[in-house]
Amino acid sequence: GAVVSQHPSRVICKSGTSVKIECRSLDFQATTMFWYRQFPKQSLMLMATSNEGSKATYEQGVEKDKFLINHASLTLSTLTVTSAHPEDSSFYICSARDPRGGNTEAFFGQGTRLTVV
Amino acid sequence: DAKTTQPPSMDCAEGRAANLPCNHSTISGNEYVYWYRQIHSQGPQYIIHGLKNNETNEMASLIITEDRKSSTLILPHATLRDTAVYYCIVRVGGGNAGNMLTFGGGTRLMVKP
Repeated sequence: GAVVSQHPSRVICKSGTSVKIECRSLDFQATTMFWYRQFPKQSLMLMATSNEGSKATYEQGVEKDKFLINHASLTLSTLTVTSAHPEDSSFYICSARDPRGGNTEAFFGQGTRLTVV
Repeated sequence: DAKTTQPPSMDCAEGRAANLPCNHSTISGNEYVYWYRQIHSQGPQYIIHGLKNNETNEMASLIITEDRKSSTLILPHATLRDTAVYYCIVRVGGGNAGNMLTFGGGTRLMVKP
């Protein structure tokens, strides 16, 4: 199947700093990518939809000025957590759909575990 | 997207078939049933999907009832590596399949030796 890669897989940062997470589609082009957040023992919650060449669409309750999304190319979307706070500690996951061959399933990155201290 | 209901947890003996049920009584005619799983601390992994016919691939089989109100994911010979949370999701396929997925609570499958 198609490959979606996230980097870094783990990051620890101090409160008040910013952290950038990258999501890459390695063997296909993705005009749309999705960012999810998952707290311990909970399910994935969609944060935002990243659109190549245009502004991201945020879900209700997600602060767009805190979670900056940039989708500058067809293979890369970045999520920047600004002014990180301990409550932002979570597992962040991106996904994208490989449009080739009429595929309909989504492929996910391996996730990034963010710990804010 | 239609809502799904899954048991929160299940156990299965290694080597046995794992049958994971999912209820989706409000599914619409153009909605597919998708199954994903998430092994601890990893991103979700696509398993299988179907519309109304039963489907089988190298990972699993998907049995959808005739009225499409429920389905069962079957792992024919569960291994310890199949221990994961399994998510049943119904959503519109085709051209809208690029849209986001709505995850419910899933079923935590524990495969035991």
